[in-house]
Amino acid sequence: DGGITQSPKYLFRKEGQNVTLSCEQNLNHDAMYWYRQDPGQGLRLIYYSQIVNDFQKGDIAEGYSVSREKKESFPLTVTSAQKNPTAFYLCASSIVGTLSTDTQYFGPGTRLTVL
Amino acid sequence: QKEVEQDPGPLSVPEGAIVSLNCTYSNSAFQYFMWYRQYSRKGPELLMYTYSSGNKEDGRFTAQVDKSSKYISLFIRDSQPSDSATYLCAMSAGGGQKLVFGQGTRLTINP
Repeated sequence: DGGITQSPKYLFRKEGQNVTLSCEQNLNHDAMYWYRQDPGQGLRLIYYSQIVNDFQKGDIAEGYSVSREKKESFPLTVTSAQKNPTAFYLCASSIVGTLSTDTQYFGPGTRLTVL
Repeated sequence: QKEVEQDPGPLSVPEGAIVSLNCTYSNSAFQYFMWYRQYSRKGPELLMYTYSSGNKEDGRFTAQVDKSSKYISLFIRDSQPSDSATYLCAMSAGGGQKLVFGQGTRLTINP
């Protein structure tokens, strides 16, 4: 089955800890994205990557870090510098190119709670 | 002003009703328009995709784009309780541009 997997489904973090959320895709998509979703605020872009070993900040990158060492993997680290990390985190992927429609396909999400 | 505006609702209608969900946008470069459905605590799933102006029908769902008015709609006919979800509009200019999302409309279909 082709798709995007995220793990874990639920994650609990103590204050001051860094945690890493996993995102893997087998769709052979070039681009991958991380969003944060809070109630009533829609999706906010954290980071995105259109090619291996390269990534760009989105609208709310402060307190987060990413890496893109492999095409199929785009892990997100929520650092202790992120003051309000409790949220639903979504990973997505898409093809890239001049004919791209930019349609993104999403994973099932990770719910992060700070204790 | 946000690039894409979507009424967050909540919207509650009886089963069998016709539902109309709408988004307006300000960027005239947008030419690809999508609707995503998101069930509670799940990731969004692509429901409909439309290029440029016009209508597209898929079963009980119809997506409509009016580029002259910068307005897109999703119609759900014969609505079912299983249609209860949050619906997100999204759009882009294409060619690797970022997808811009609306805030999402929470819809409840009452049996």
